[in-house]
Amino acid sequence: DTGVSQNPRHKITKRGQNVTFRCDPISEHNRLYWYRQTLGQGPEFLTYFQNEAQLEKSRLLSDRFSAERPKGSFSTLEIQRTEQGDSAMYLCASTTEGEQYFGPGTRLTVT
Amino acid sequence: GENVEQHPSTLSVQEGDSAVIKCTYSDSASNYFPWYKQELGKRPQLIIDIRSNVGEKKDQRIAVTLNKTAKHFSLHITETQPEDSAVYFCAASVGTGGFKTIFGAGTRLFVKA
Repeated sequence: DTGVSQNPRHKITKRGQNVTFRCDPISEHNRLYWYRQTLGQGPEFLTYFQNEAQLEKSRLLSDRFSAERPKGSFSTLEIQRTEQGDSAMYLCASTTEGEQYFGPGTRLTVT
Repeated sequence: GENVEQHPSTLSVQEGDSAVIKCTYSDSASNYFPWYKQELGKRPQLIIDIRSNVGEKKDQRIAVTLNKTAKHFSLHITETQPEDSAVYFCAASVGTGGFKTIFGAGTRLFVKA
C-alpha cells in the first residue's frame, strides 16, 4: 500500500498516561500535517512539517502535545498526561502541493 | 483571524436534484480552496479544488465557484445520486506560503432515493 499509513489505528488509555502515534506519509511528499477530528466537526489543524522542519503549531495546542519528523519521513505525535478531552480521531496527511492525502487516522479514547 | 464557516450543516435533497454548499473565509491572502468528501468511517478525500486565479472549475457533476471579493466559495453537485451522501468539508489555505489549511465544520448531505 503506497498511501499514508497510521499506527496504531485505535488506542485506549487511562487519563494521565502518555501516548504516541506514528504517521508514515507517501514517500515523495515533503509536507506532513497532523489534524484532530471530533464527531461532527471538520479536521482541526494541529501542526505541519516541511521535510523535518516543524513550521507551524496551532495556538490551541497545549504544551502536552509535541510532534517530530526527525528524518523528514515518518512523524510521531505525542500527547503527555492525557485528558478525557483529548479523545478524538487524530489524522495525518501528506502532500507535495495542493491535495492532501489523509491516513486512516488513530482513534484515541481516554478513560 | 483564520476562520472558515460552512453552511448548511445538514442538507437533504431528492435524488436527481442539485445540492449547494457555501463557505466563507476570513484570510484575504488565502489562495487555495479544496473540497473534501468523507464517508462514514473513512478518511477525507479530495473531490475538487480551486485556486484564487480562477473563478469557477467544473468536473463532471461537481463544480466550485469562488468570489474573492466577497471571500466566499461554493460547491455545486448536480444530478445527485445516493452515493453522494456523505459529509463534505470546505477548506482554505492560510498563512505565509499558504501551507496551513483550515477546514469548515462540514455539511452532511443526504440524497434520498
